[in-house]
Amino acid sequence: SQELEQSPQSLIVQEGKNLTINCTSSKTLYGLYWYKQKYGEGLIFLMMLQKGGEEKSHEKITAKLDEKKQQSSLHITASQPSHAGIYLCGADDTMDSNYQLIWGAGTKLIIKP
Amino acid sequence: DGGITQSPKYLFRKEGQNVTLSCEQNLNHDAMYWYRQDPGQGLRLIYYSQIVNDFQKGDIAEGYSVSREKKESFPLTVTSAQKNPTAFYLCASSIFSGVEQFFGPGTRLTVL
Repeated sequence: SQELEQSPQSLIVQEGKNLTINCTSSKTLYGLYWYKQKYGEGLIFLMMLQKGGEEKSHEKITAKLDEKKQQSSLHITASQPSHAGIYLCGADDTMDSNYQLIWGAGTKLIIKP
Repeated sequence: DGGITQSPKYLFRKEGQNVTLSCEQNLNHDAMYWYRQDPGQGLRLIYYSQIVNDFQKGDIAEGYSVSREKKESFPLTVTSAQKNPTAFYLCASSIFSGVEQFFGPGTRLTVL
């Protein structure tokens, strides 16, 4: 079973609209990573969050980690066709830095022109 | 340009044959990883290596083997003991643990 729950599983959004993807764990997370994947390709690193309440932005994408460090959200503002793809969250659920991350199943984002 | 390369992009093999997937990085990273990705599932760790000549089993190591004779290279062999080898395989590397991993483009293996 997935230890990181991502929602929604898939999302169809009109170009120009905002959207949010969530990543939730029942455990405290000590490092939360967001990646984007084009179908059949490797993962591209987006952002890493570590501190409760932390928020990072890059261009039109903002990622947040809640105060309890159990949930993260990825928000895209004014979506564009280039945002289409699969978004995956990965996390370190141990206090000691760990080589083994846990992963969500991914959210497939489709942008309608 | 620094990065991770995987070859080949697509690989077809007959059932019962061993096959080796290549992964090379020129990022000077100590840690390297092999993941398997199946539709609708997250990444599952097969093996990882923290340093040359050392590697550890991940969650689904059965039917796979690896070697780490050089810092830059971490090949994965899918053996005939792997019951369901058809999947998308991703290689990654990181400077050390607790930081972001950089991924290769992946190899799609189809066993006929």
